Amino acid sequence: AQSVTQLGSHVSVSEGALVLLRCNYSSSVPPYLFWYVQYPNQGLQLLLKYTSAATLVKGINGFEAEFKKSETSFHLTKPSAHMSDAAEYFCAVSKGATGKLIFGQGTTLQVKP
Amino acid sequence: DTAVSQTPKYLVTQMGNDKSIKCEQNLGHDTMYWYKQDSKKFLKIMFSYNNKELIINETVPNRFSPKSPDKAHLNLHINSLELGDSAVYFCASSQDNSYEQYFGPGTRLTVT
Repeated sequence: AQSVTQLGSHVSVSEGALVLLRCNYSSSVPPYLFWYVQYPNQGLQLLLKYTSAATLVKGINGFEAEFKKSETSFHLTKPSAHMSDAAEYFCAVSKGATGKLIFGQGTTLQVKP
Repeated sequence: DTAVSQTPKYLVTQMGNDKSIKCEQNLGHDTMYWYKQDSKKFLKIMFSYNNKELIINETVPNRFSPKSPDKAHLNLHINSLELGDSAVYFCASSQDNSYEQYFGPGTRLTVT
């Protein structure tokens, strides 16, 4: 069965610092993996997705993630944090042809000036 | 134009009432979903429809009934509301086999 674990429910960085949000998955088949961002009182917006093409995936707003099969990880990074990056971030794995998304518990990113 | 829209955005109601949340997508997608986000922000799928056919029905109380009049709409009807139903409900849609889901803005349901 697929599952997703996000390490760290809260991550705090200074503006301009590297952002690293961790996600590990378990899947019995090659997974489709996603990162979504949720700004306060808004819906979820897709940042990027991995669908078995390139292992390094670039997304919107300067974010990228690397799929590492050996580590079963799909960590999200951004070289330089902006204040506007403060939000909730969700890693998700897609379960089969139904498209059902299984979400991690979310990581709150705080960006300090 | 909003890709996935939900109405209402906020819904406050009393225990025991029946309420509906509506969702519409103008993306031409074949599949629509309902997710529930609890107070700890955990997201869990409830239902999924593909071309008006129910394909995912998680262990949700049968007080919750989805209805899809056409593939652009997926409504959620909730009977006999309980305090524990308070949450944010998100609608989403995707094109078959793309697995990329587009989410609506959410409906915050508060049961008093």
